[in-house]
Amino acid sequence: KNEVEQSPQNLTAQEGEFITINCSYSVGISALHWLQQHPGGGIVSLFMLSSGKKKHGRLIATINIQEKHSSLHITASHPRDSAVYICAVTVRGSQGNLIFGKGTKLSVKP
Amino acid sequence: DAGVIQSPRHEVTEMGQEVTLRCKPISGHNSLFWYRQTMMRGLELLIYFNNNVPIDDSGMPEDRFSAKMPNASFSTLKIQPSEPRDSAVYFCASSLQGAYMEQYFGPGTRLTVT
Repeated sequence: KNEVEQSPQNLTAQEGEFITINCSYSVGISALHWLQQHPGGGIVSLFMLSSGKKKHGRLIATINIQEKHSSLHITASHPRDSAVYICAVTVRGSQGNLIFGKGTKLSVKP
Repeated sequence: DAGVIQSPRHEVTEMGQEVTLRCKPISGHNSLFWYRQTMMRGLELLIYFNNNVPIDDSGMPEDRFSAKMPNASFSTLKIQPSEPRDSAVYFCASSLQGAYMEQYFGPGTRLTVT
């Protein structure tokens, strides 16, 4: 069993829809990261959080430490949001190395 | 800042050849990570350095892989001899040291071993 599980694996949405991607983990963590990988392959860090909720533009990330679960929400989705979204965790006690989920491939249709 | 720089961006080589991947971290960052991405396994940590010292190399697949960080601004990942199963995208990332620091990824090196 993977230590970081994401769902769904693939997601197709119409432009304007509200999108939720889920991440569950089975280890104690220091922090959870949401990353975006563009079709060209580059990886960008969207959020790093250890509690509560963070918002940046149309993106919102939440984490529930007790339930070991995080969600990434995209409001008013747009075709340019099409990418692979990757959840990763920093295991508690480690010095920063990440363990990754398999990613969620999002396609937003106009 | 130019961000994390990796070279080459693409590498095609024949089985048995030596391959060297290079990474220049963001200036001032003292943690450096090498990751590998494949379709089957996704992203995996290979090795990471703090202050140029290797901290955890448990992700290095086997003795054919080696990594060095001779100074704070340069790291190499070497595969010798290369095999077709090493074909993947290799990412380098850097951050300030610590568990709560955001990591910045390089553009990756796409390696194909024929």
